[in-house]
Amino acid sequence: DIQMTQSPSSLSASIGDRVTITCRASQDIATFLAWIQQRPGKAPKSLIYAASSLQSGVPSRFSGSGSGTDFTLTISSLQPEDFATYYCQQFNTYPLTFGGGTKVEIK
Amino acid sequence: EVQLVESGGGLVQPGGSLRLSCAASGFTFSGHFMDWVRQAPGKGLEWVGRTRGKADSYTTEYAASVKGRFTISRDDSQNSVYLQMNNLKTEDTAVYYCAGGGYRSGRYFSDYWGQGTLVTVSS
Repeated sequence: DIQMTQSPSSLSASIGDRVTITCRASQDIATFLAWIQQRPGKAPKSLIYAASSLQSGVPSRFSGSGSGTDFTLTISSLQPEDFATYYCQQFNTYPLTFGGGTKVEIK
Repeated sequence: EVQLVESGGGLVQPGGSLRLSCAASGFTFSGHFMDWVRQAPGKGLEWVGRTRGKADSYTTEYAASVKGRFTISRDDSQNSVYLQMNNLKTEDTAVYYCAGGGYRSGRYFSDYWGQGTLVTVSS
């Protein structure tokens, strides 16, 4: 199985900060990666697919990059509604696997 | 508006069975792969399995932790996907989400998510 490792597991940031979350795959997954946001007590929501393509309706402050084994989710200017847990998920090979999550908290 | 609405969760004893349903609307269901994903209390997301569409003969994939116990099926005429869970274990306690997506950039990603239904396995 492909292991997805996210870092950090949690971070504290202030409104307006630039935030970067990384995801590393245990083998090459090309760009078959998605980023998912889960606010506290809510259902997951897809933000980015194919490593860098923004889902419809997702604010442009979110961006994704990377290919192969190393990927990044960036929030250019953190907003109050962005405090959530973020997961990466690989779609290259079955079983599909998630990273352990990165919890973004208010500083 | 895209909607995925899960139902069928509840309390079941170890060794018991439960069938979850997910009703879809707002998109072309038949052209989408559909996944089940679960989240144990206080834990991260875990992929459970997937059903492909008619063009791929409705074939399925499963996580090792549920293979042989869980079965995913779909009814395109009802725009619904199902998760039949047998021989349930306490470690299957989780919120179960259905998710779905169309073919883009070389893969079927999970573009849409439901609100989830809670399954509790306990005696």
